[in-house]
Amino acid sequence: AQSVTQLGSHVSVSEGALVLLRCNYSSSVPPYLFWYVQYPNQGLQLLLKYTTGATLVKGINGFEAEFKKSETSFHLTKPSAHMSDAAEYFCAVSPGSGNTGKLIFGQGTTLQVKP
Amino acid sequence: SQTIHQWPATLVQPVGSPLSLECTVEGTSNPNLYWYRQAAGRGLQLLFYSVGIGQISSEVPQNLSASRPQDRQFILSSKKLLLSDSGFYLCAWSVWGTTGELFFGEGSRLTVL
Repeated sequence: AQSVTQLGSHVSVSEGALVLLRCNYSSSVPPYLFWYVQYPNQGLQLLLKYTTGATLVKGINGFEAEFKKSETSFHLTKPSAHMSDAAEYFCAVSPGSGNTGKLIFGQGTTLQVKP
Repeated sequence: SQTIHQWPATLVQPVGSPLSLECTVEGTSNPNLYWYRQAAGRGLQLLFYSVGIGQISSEVPQNLSASRPQDRQFILSSKKLLLSDSGFYLCAWSVWGTTGELFFGEGSRLTVL
């Protein structure tokens, strides 16, 4: 069975500071990993995904994440936070090749950016 | 390109009234379709998913039902709403056998009074 744990339901950073949102997963098969962002009263938008190949994945809006198999982690980072980054972020996992398309989501992390 | 639409965007309904939320996908064939719910302070809860017309799987027992009358149409219904049905409902689609990446609609905010 797969699972996702996002450490910290709320993260607060100052504008210009580093953003680090933590995600750990559990999977018995090589996973596909995703980060989604949700702005208030909107649907989820894909930020980035890891499937195979390079473990450092770059996404939209300056975000990136690194797949670390040994640590079963897929943390999301951004060097310098903008006010517009304030949103809820979800990490998700799917079981890799042959999957049925059902993602397993973490509980989400709300990012607050202070001026 | 593929698009997904949900409606209505906002709905306020009294307890005991019926519900119908609709979702349509354009630009793809035979998608997997999903209904999720976000209740206040809680994460994403998968309610239903469908791999084809008339094929519905329910993830949790509840007051809601889903139907897929056409390949790219997914409907979420209730005969009698409960207060606990309030939340933000999201429709999503994916392509079977790919990475599992989900593409979400804009969401429907349901308030049951």
